[in-house]
Amino acid sequence: AQSVSQHNHHVILSEAASLELGCNYSYGGTVNLFWYVQYPGQHLQLLLKYFSGDPLVKGIKGFEAEFIKSKFSFNLRKPSVQWSDTAEYFCAVNGGYNKLIFGAGTRLAVHP
Amino acid sequence: NAGVTQTPKFQVLKTGQSMTLQCAQDMNHEYMSWYRQDPGMGLRLIHYSVGAGITDQGEVPNGYNVSRSTTEDFPLRLLSAAPSQTSVYFCASSQGTYNEKLFFGSGTQLSVL
Repeated sequence: AQSVSQHNHHVILSEAASLELGCNYSYGGTVNLFWYVQYPGQHLQLLLKYFSGDPLVKGIKGFEAEFIKSKFSFNLRKPSVQWSDTAEYFCAVNGGYNKLIFGAGTRLAVHP
Repeated sequence: NAGVTQTPKFQVLKTGQSMTLQCAQDMNHEYMSWYRQDPGMGLRLIHYSVGAGITDQGEVPNGYNVSRSTTEDFPLRLLSAAPSQTSVYFCASSQGTYNEKLFFGSGTQLSVL
């Protein structure tokens, strides 16, 4: 069965620190990969997605993610985090026909 | 434009009771889905629909029923609530397939005592 692993459940950073959140998936076929974010009190929203082409994908608010096929990874990065990036981040992968499978999520807390 | 609307926002049930979580979208999206969110487990797909009259099971369908009689509505029914169904439930929709951007509702927090 398809699965998504997010290695860090809780991350605490100071403002201006760099961020990298790990995401690994298990799926043998062609993959489409996503990062969603849930800010406190808000709906889940799409941060970025990868379908094909350039494996380095840029999303909203300065986030980017790199698809490394050989490592089955799709890590999320941001060079310098802000307090407003405090949120829960979810990696997701297509799990076969019409199924989007999410990871367990990573709670990020950014301190001023 | 309301997007995806879920009702109720909060619900407390007793074990064995049944209820329906409502989900409606006004974006004419073909694809709709239900997820539950549990601490440490992320979002797990319960059921999904690719259009009116078409539904299918996700990762954790047991104890839940769905139907899709219209494009706009996708209710989730709990037939006989159990404490294990205590969770936050999210409805989501997208134009086309799951590969498109998912629009999420604000969630329903359900407690089963």
